[in-house]
Amino acid sequence: QKEVEQDPGPLSVPEGAIVSLNCTYSNSAFQYFMWYRQYSRKGPELLMYTYSSGNKEDGRFTAQVDKSSKYISLFIRDSQPSDSATYLCAMNLNTNAGKSTFGDGTTLTVKP
Amino acid sequence: GAVVSQHPSWVICKSGTSVKIECRSLDFQATTMFWYRQFPKQSLMLMATSNEGSKATYEQGVEKDKFLINHASLTLSTLTVTSAHPEDSSFYICSARESLSLPQHFGDGTRLSIL
Repeated sequence: QKEVEQDPGPLSVPEGAIVSLNCTYSNSAFQYFMWYRQYSRKGPELLMYTYSSGNKEDGRFTAQVDKSSKYISLFIRDSQPSDSATYLCAMNLNTNAGKSTFGDGTTLTVKP
Repeated sequence: GAVVSQHPSWVICKSGTSVKIECRSLDFQATTMFWYRQFPKQSLMLMATSNEGSKATYEQGVEKDKFLINHASLTLSTLTVTSAHPEDSSFYICSARESLSLPQHFGDGTRLSIL
């Protein structure tokens, strides 16, 4: 079983919809949680970075972390066609190695 | 802030040649840099982790002599694919991190095609 499981998708929604992207993890030692957006043939772009349980909002994006359930989510409000991309969740241990463990990604298509 | 520049973005070369890819952190000092490989419609596969001034730590199954990594300064890391062959064709992406408590920031990737 993978350390990080991400809803596989693909996901297709109409413009303006609320999108929910989700990851679960098995290692309770993960301390830092990230969401990245990757457009085709580009490197991932950091969207959200959180450390503690709770919600963090940035514009149309809200990241939610529930450490007790080992579950993280990214919500996109008022989705736009430009949000069409692959979304990757990632998480880090608090160690010197500190390499991130990534989910496999969810591909989102927002239709006009 | 937190911009990572990767160069070149696309390279085509003949089998047997060596190719160098550069990764620079433009507005921060990267104590750690990472190199990934990504196949179409697949997730990132970590190849190696490098800390400035130290030898890179390679993931299991990645050939050290094939993929040479140098992290000589806090703003530059290079990946050299030696004696490249068609099976080395892939999308290579670097990332950089300023400190353990901060997230990685990625370059835009290099599309490598070996003929």
